[in-house]
Amino acid sequence: AAGVIQSPRHLIKEKRETATLKCYPIPRHDTVYWYQQGPGQDPQFLISFYEKMQSDKGSIPDRFSAQQFSDYHSELNMSSLELGDSALYFCASSAQERDWLAGSRAVEDTQYFGPGTRLTVL
Amino acid sequence: AQTVTQSQPEMSVQEAETVTLSCTYDTSESDYYLFWYKQPPSRQMILVIRQEAYKQQNATENRFSVNFQKAAKSFSLKISDSQLGDAAMYFCAYRSGETSGSRLTFGEGTQLTVNP
Repeated sequence: AAGVIQSPRHLIKEKRETATLKCYPIPRHDTVYWYQQGPGQDPQFLISFYEKMQSDKGSIPDRFSAQQFSDYHSELNMSSLELGDSALYFCASSAQERDWLAGSRAVEDTQYFGPGTRLTVL
Repeated sequence: AQTVTQSQPEMSVQEAETVTLSCTYDTSESDYYLFWYKQPPSRQMILVIRQEAYKQQNATENRFSVNFQKAAKSFSLKISDSQLGDAAMYFCAYRSGETSGSRLTFGEGTQLTVNP
């Protein structure tokens, strides 16, 4: 089965440089999520997009921006990189489906993760 | 805000035996989903099992099962017949079911070691 694709898998940048991470969701998935995982930490949510609109926003620095394109792929742009930005960046995707068994408000969207992009800032 | 707590930073189990990983969460929502993800040394995040809050029946996936206690806000993972390939970091995660595209909130993780 097709999985989430992330590129590049590894990226090395200098401080104050910019980086662009790309995510290609599973076919027919309409929602993408970005997470940041520092060494020895759990993944922290950054931002998500549903049908190309921002749907949830976490602790994403103002130096970072993201968008989802018409083909549903997403890009995370990171500027003025700092040493503390070194981390594993995951993209996940899901397909929004009403969970009618739970009631009309509930939304089922199990998230499937890509392999991650390891960003190192020197 | 929702919180997820895993009180066991590390656990170990003998191959072929059973181990239970603990997770508690805090929420005021009625519609939500709970997950266990596995992160082996490759760092890939792999979905292990999912539980819908409205379901009373505990989810099972082959050797993996959960004990979901909604009133106690507890969601433990039982791994039966443990295998060497089960060694990994296990994360418990919560997701609101009330909005589209909502985030996963993870616990701190439990590092599972499987001894041959």
